[in-house]
Amino acid sequence: DSGVTQTPKHLITATGQRVTLRCSPRSGDLSVYWYQQSLDQGLQFLIQYYNGEERAKGNILERFSAQQFPDLHSELNLSSLELGDSALYFCASSPGGAPYQPQHFGDGTRLSIL
Amino acid sequence: SQQGEEDPQALSIQEGENATMNCSYKTSINNLQWYRQNSGRGLVHLILIRSNEREKHSGRLRVTLDTSKKSSSLLITASRAADTASYFCATDVDSSYKLIFGSGTRLLVRP
Repeated sequence: DSGVTQTPKHLITATGQRVTLRCSPRSGDLSVYWYQQSLDQGLQFLIQYYNGEERAKGNILERFSAQQFPDLHSELNLSSLELGDSALYFCASSPGGAPYQPQHFGDGTRLSIL
Repeated sequence: SQQGEEDPQALSIQEGENATMNCSYKTSINNLQWYRQNSGRGLVHLILIRSNEREKHSGRLRVTLDTSKKSSSLLITASRAADTASYFCATDVDSSYKLIFGSGTRLLVRP
């Protein structure tokens, strides 16, 4: 058990809809990362937050947004969903957010767009 | 595009054999990490090697890094069926906070 909790585990929705994925980091970790894993794109870094502030941005679409709350949990919002957004979405956390620190991953949210 | 490319894409070996997988990357790095992913689960950190290190060991794992060739290898000795998973290298570059993952090697260890 990594200590990182992601909810929901599975999400099925339709094109054009909006969903929110939630992540609770390991106790004491200040940094949260979001990744998208799909068969054709592999594991893609989306965005990183450190103690409530955005720290790094990757290949995150404008339709996607994220935030980290004062209690350090994070949410990833996906809107105007398209078929291509179907993927596994992972959240990871680390103590201080430096890239050399090991990241601890949750078991992901599997998003299926019908 | 991927910073790291793993080779081979898939590897099937018998239990007890050694498994070697390689990672090549494109730009200079600060550190390189290896992660394991069991089917349908999150990634698990295995080992980190810094750019000024050439070799590192952790249990049955041995990682090497050749910065002149921009490549790393992960050796798993005396493999077990429980080692069946996908293995990814990940690099952080320059002053970026990003961790860039490779495409992964799928390892199957047959009992």
